[in-house]
Amino acid sequence: AQKVTQAQTEISVVEKEDVTLDCVYETRDTTYYLFWYKQPPSGELVFLIRRNSFDEQNEISGRYSWNFQKSTSSFNFTITASQVVDSAVYFCALNNYGQNFVFGPGTRLSVLP
Amino acid sequence: GAGVSQSPSNKVTEKGKDVELRCDPISGHTALYWYRQSLGQGLEFLIYFQGNSAPDKSGLPSDRFSAERTGGSVSTLTIQRTQQEDSAVYLCASSPAMGGFGEKLFFGSGTQLSVL
Repeated sequence: AQKVTQAQTEISVVEKEDVTLDCVYETRDTTYYLFWYKQPPSGELVFLIRRNSFDEQNEISGRYSWNFQKSTSSFNFTITASQVVDSAVYFCALNNYGQNFVFGPGTRLSVLP
Repeated sequence: GAGVSQSPSNKVTEKGKDVELRCDPISGHTALYWYRQSLGQGLEFLIYFQGNSAPDKSGLPSDRFSAERTGGSVSTLTIQRTQQEDSAVYLCASSPAMGGFGEKLFFGSGTQLSVL
């Protein structure tokens, strides 16, 4: 069975703090993709990153970075020097070959000025 | 259009009435998904269309829910005899991959359904 867990329901930080959003997934497949999506207050989900199961390299994009560890089935997302515009709900998702996307419950991030 | 288009953006209906929600995916996208998001909650999978294959209906919560996709493009989600618990945002997403695997999803803005 596929499952995605985001244990942090809500996080509040003060602007310029670093914050890490956790994502733990479960799958029996060896081939899969992991994703992070952002849902700002406007409501439309925006793609942030995709990672396949064979690529454990960490990735950095500006203030965003992702840490993929197959050994712990985790795909954590870190925002460095957070900004108010980062306030949103963040979803981690798993896509197994030939199957639909399974989303985690989301983490609501509030960045306070 | 440039993105996934959903209509209407808002729908208010009375309990017991039928509603139809429409999704226009990005042109050429072969995969189409419907999700439901209740207030403050995550995304609940409803149904998945991939090309000409039989849709994956495993997420439909009851037989009051159905969906079709005509000509591999536009999709309509129908909810019959609506109940108050059907109130939610219904999100549509499309993806370009023939295999529907590993390609990012492009989401519409959703239809906010309110059942009174």
